[in-house]
Amino acid sequence: EAGVAQSPRYKIIEKRQSVAFWCNPISGHATLYWYQQILGQGPKLLIQFQNNGVVDDSQLPKDRFSAERLKGVDSTLKIQPAKLEDSAVYLCASSPRTSGLSTDTQYFGPGTRLTVL
Amino acid sequence: QQQVKQSPQSLIVQKGGISIINCAYENTAFDYFPWYQQFPGKGPALLIAIRPDVSEKKEGRFTISFNKSAKQFSLHIMDSQPGDSATYFCAEGNYGGSQGNLIFGKGTKLSVKP
Repeated sequence: EAGVAQSPRYKIIEKRQSVAFWCNPISGHATLYWYQQILGQGPKLLIQFQNNGVVDDSQLPKDRFSAERLKGVDSTLKIQPAKLEDSAVYLCASSPRTSGLSTDTQYFGPGTRLTVL
Repeated sequence: QQQVKQSPQSLIVQKGGISIINCAYENTAFDYFPWYQQFPGKGPALLIAIRPDVSEKKEGRFTISFNKSAKQFSLHIMDSQPGDSATYFCAEGNYGGSQGNLIFGKGTKLSVKP
């Protein structure tokens, strides 16, 4: 079974530029998560999708971050404009769970390492 | 945001020794406590998970001990091997909840010396 795919793996941009990350979850997984992992810290949830609807985006900085999951499959996360403090690894995860069922394992992709200069 | 407090930040263990990583949580509404293992350049991967209705869960060389009254849980790695060298994260979540998102600790970098 193919895992969660993310691209690009690395990205270097200057502050105030925009950037987009792409995620392809495991086939058939209903739930998709975007996490931000700052160096030396654990992943922090940015947004959670259930199929193509948003379940939780309470920690997404909506003035600069946006995310979408078209047709309930692939997802993109965008930052515009980027700040120095956005330098981090952006992880995508998916799980097969649907609303109301028990917690399923979250499967993580390799992440995109963003450096903002 | 609620935090799960993890210690130590780093740990060095000799091959064959026991590695112990501790976590403490605050909110008793959480009832799902997984441990994730992360190798450099890779995403985290689920290692083992426990719910508060049991005090211990063992899978191979990995054991979670859970102390509900103290609101603490720990990961024990028996017979630690160099291949176990990685960063370990504890997390908390809601089993059966409608969201299922996890709150992670800051991680413990484990180095197992040959």
